[in-house]
Amino acid sequence: NAGVMQNPRHLVRRRGQEARLRCSPMKGHSHVYWYRQLPEEGLKFMVYLQKENIIDESGMPKERFSAEFPKEGPSILRIQQVVRGDSAAYFCASSPPGSTETQYFGPGTRLLVL
Amino acid sequence: AQTVTQSQPEMSVQEAETVTLSCTYDTSESDYYLFWYKQPPSRQMILVIRQEAYKQQNATENRFSVNFQKAAKSFSLKISDSQLGDAAMYFCAYRSLPLSGTYKYIFGTGTRLKVLA
Repeated sequence: NAGVMQNPRHLVRRRGQEARLRCSPMKGHSHVYWYRQLPEEGLKFMVYLQKENIIDESGMPKERFSAEFPKEGPSILRIQQVVRGDSAAYFCASSPPGSTETQYFGPGTRLLVL
Repeated sequence: AQTVTQSQPEMSVQEAETVTLSCTYDTSESDYYLFWYKQPPSRQMILVIRQEAYKQQNATENRFSVNFQKAAKSFSLKISDSQLGDAAMYFCAYRSLPLSGTYKYIFGTGTRLKVLA
């Protein structure tokens, strides 16, 4: 039973480019969460999605960041016009329907903005 | 708003010895979940242990156990018979009940555990 999968594991972008981070939840999981971890810090919540719906985006920066979880395919976290401050590890987690208290994390995507 | 505090940035323990990592939190809620996650150098987040606030019994998973003091809002993690593979960052996390409409985890800043051979 595969865990949460994220790709790419490492992503390098120049300032102004776009970054697309993908997350495939565990099989049977319909809830996806994105977190950001800055160096030497804990994880900070960004957004919570269910299939085709954004449930809570209270942690998402208002500009340049967007997330989706389509009916088919992985969840995507998109960062437009990246800046150096976006350099961080981005973690995706998932939970099954009806049992959202425990979240299972993927290995993360490390984004480096040059 | 809830907060989670880990006051020990770094801890060391001798192999085979016992170590306790501290975590305190602040909340006005009466029921919630608490977690400890381990983040080894690979940076994968691994669930170590989970505690439901309404349960008075402390959770245990093999060599890992917690001391949950609800009134004091304290949730410490005890690692017994420490092994080299336990070396990692350990994060304490808080989560409200789903009925609250809040789904996010609130993480502490972490404690780096070093295991000495």
